[in-house]
Amino acid sequence: NAGVTQTPKFRVLKTGQSMTLLCAQDMNHEYMYWYRQDPGMGLRLIHYSVGEGTTAKGEVPDGYNVSRLKKQNFLLGLESAAPSQTSVYFCASGRDRENTGELFFGEGSRLTVL
Amino acid sequence: TQLLEQSPQFLSIQEGENLTVYCNSSSVFSSLQWYRQEPGEGPVLLVTVVTGGEVKKLKRLTFQFGDARKDSSLHITAAQPGDTGLYLCAGAGTGGFKTIFGAGTRLFVKA
Repeated sequence: NAGVTQTPKFRVLKTGQSMTLLCAQDMNHEYMYWYRQDPGMGLRLIHYSVGEGTTAKGEVPDGYNVSRLKKQNFLLGLESAAPSQTSVYFCASGRDRENTGELFFGEGSRLTVL
Repeated sequence: TQLLEQSPQFLSIQEGENLTVYCNSSSVFSSLQWYRQEPGEGPVLLVTVVTGGEVKKLKRLTFQFGDARKDSSLHITAAQPGDTGLYLCAGAGTGGFKTIFGAGTRLFVKA
């Protein structure tokens, strides 16, 4: 089972460039999430989706956009990358409508913005 | 804004020692999770607690949810080097779909 797959795993960008991170899950989960992880700050929620065609802002949404055109995919876009967006990005999916909060994570995408 | 505070932030102990990690908040959570993360990987779920006062055991790990569902603790008995990692608590709020995380406790167990 693939679970949650993120691509790419590593990327280096110059300030002002754009890119998209792709997350795919094969568990038929309704909920999907994008987090960023920085040293000493744990995981911070960027955007999330409670179903196909829906998105919502998390704790730190500025500078990012997302789309959920298909239930299994959740895309995170950076329109104009900034050095402050250097981080490790994790995608996660959640499995049940009762919202017990249990999440399944991908392996992460390490982004460096120069 | 819901916040989860974990303590200690860093813990280095000898193999065989016991330890407790705390996760505290002023907010009530409908459920709380503990995850473990190893370098270069995503967090992996250890346990979910839902009921106030609930205690769950996973081999040498004991998890407790506070009576008021605002805090939780993770106790490890006779720690082993394989327990080394980043332990994260996470809470799902009532009436919402967002799961928030604490900053984590980095545990290092020396052989």
